[in-house]
Amino acid sequence: DAGVTQTPRHEVAEKGQTIILKCEPVSGHNDLFWYRQTKIQGLELLSYFRSKSLMEDGGAFKDRFKAEMLNSSFSTLKIQPTEPKDSAVYLCASSRDREDERLFFGHGTKLSVL
Amino acid sequence: GDSVTQTEGPVTVSESESLIINCTYSATSIAYPNLFWYVRYPGEGLQLLLKVITAGQKGSSRGFEATYNKETTSFHLQKASVQESDSAVYYCALGDRDSNYQLIWGSGTKLIIKP
Repeated sequence: DAGVTQTPRHEVAEKGQTIILKCEPVSGHNDLFWYRQTKIQGLELLSYFRSKSLMEDGGAFKDRFKAEMLNSSFSTLKIQPTEPKDSAVYLCASSRDREDERLFFGHGTKLSVL
Repeated sequence: GDSVTQTEGPVTVSESESLIINCTYSATSIAYPNLFWYVRYPGEGLQLLLKVITAGQKGSSRGFEATYNKETTSFHLQKASVQESDSAVYYCALGDRDSNYQLIWGSGTKLIIKP
């Protein structure tokens, strides 16, 4: 199986820009997760989709973060407008279904907001 | 609240020596905790190392073991003899059997193996 693919691997943005991060889950997986990872906060869940339906929209991240799953094999995370505090590694993960809880992660996108 | 605390890294161990990375959890709002160890090897994505969903049981993978101890609320990761290829970052995580999408993560422990 191909793993989770995230693009780009690195992104540099100016404050106020809109950026879109992309994720392709493992083929056949029904659950998709977006996480943000920083040294201080660790791994934080941003969004969770089950069979393309948004189940969790990350509460505190709602205002400038929007995740979408246009089809079962592609998801995007839009940050609009970006702020310097958004600098982090954004991880996408997928799992087969509720019964198989194993998460498969992508390499992540390292975002730097200047 | 629910939380996970693990050994702060980096942890440096010589090859062939034993290893323990501590993980303790608090699951005040979770009736049936599931416990996980994930690992990120250099250049790779995070991946599941082992998981245990029943208190008292032990999980094992790649020579690593962890026992779900409900009395001490611990899930320590152990290995009798480490190898250089074990150098990685290890994450302990707490899940809820009834709501499996929301994992609570430890901060990660970077393990460095000296040859």
